[in-house]
Amino acid sequence: EPEVTQTPSHQVTQMGQEVILRCVPISNHLYFYWYRQILGQKVEFLVSFYNNEISEKSEIFDDQFSVERPDGSNFTLKIRSTKLEDSAMYFCASSGELYEQYFGPGTRLTVT
Amino acid sequence: DAKTTQPPSMDCAEGRAANLPCNHSTISGNEYVYWYRQIHSQGPQYIIHGLKNNETNEMASLIITEDRKSSTLILPHATLRDTAVYYCIVRVGKGYSTLTFGKGTMLLVSP
Repeated sequence: EPEVTQTPSHQVTQMGQEVILRCVPISNHLYFYWYRQILGQKVEFLVSFYNNEISEKSEIFDDQFSVERPDGSNFTLKIRSTKLEDSAMYFCASSGELYEQYFGPGTRLTVT
Repeated sequence: DAKTTQPPSMDCAEGRAANLPCNHSTISGNEYVYWYRQIHSQGPQYIIHGLKNNETNEMASLIITEDRKSSTLILPHATLRDTAVYYCIVRVGKGYSTLTFGKGTMLLVSP
């Protein structure tokens, strides 16, 4: 069964450093998303991406964040200068013409 | 998106049916009811969705009341692996519309 994959599973970085989280969505899907979940809190929407541009973003997704689909398979989330409060699980998701979103296993980002 | 109300926690004995309720009294005519679950910080997993008719798949059944103000997710024979947080979400039924997660219901399945 096709699945969304994410790398790395765990990323440790120092405050102020740039990180890139990588996702490979399901191959025939058209819509891509990033969500995050701070430990013990709700899953929060960050951004959605369709046809090579952002279709929607939340207030969390400020200028420190960017997304890119550099080739036909990868979808990346970049955090330009990490803060302690960026520590969270980051989930990538994708969906096709049908309505359900499929999530990856997540990347645990720890900012020290 | 309309808001949903779910009990914070429920218990179920292994092998019994788990019935998880959800209230969504302000749901709009074009909004679907979706259920996802999250097993211990893994990525949320899609379970089922419906508009107004009852739905069943290999994982669960979804019962939506006639006025669409509430629904029940049924896991017919719960196993220990069904222990998870279950989220009821209402959203417009388009592929690109976002999911707004609440706190969900923590279902604990015990032997």
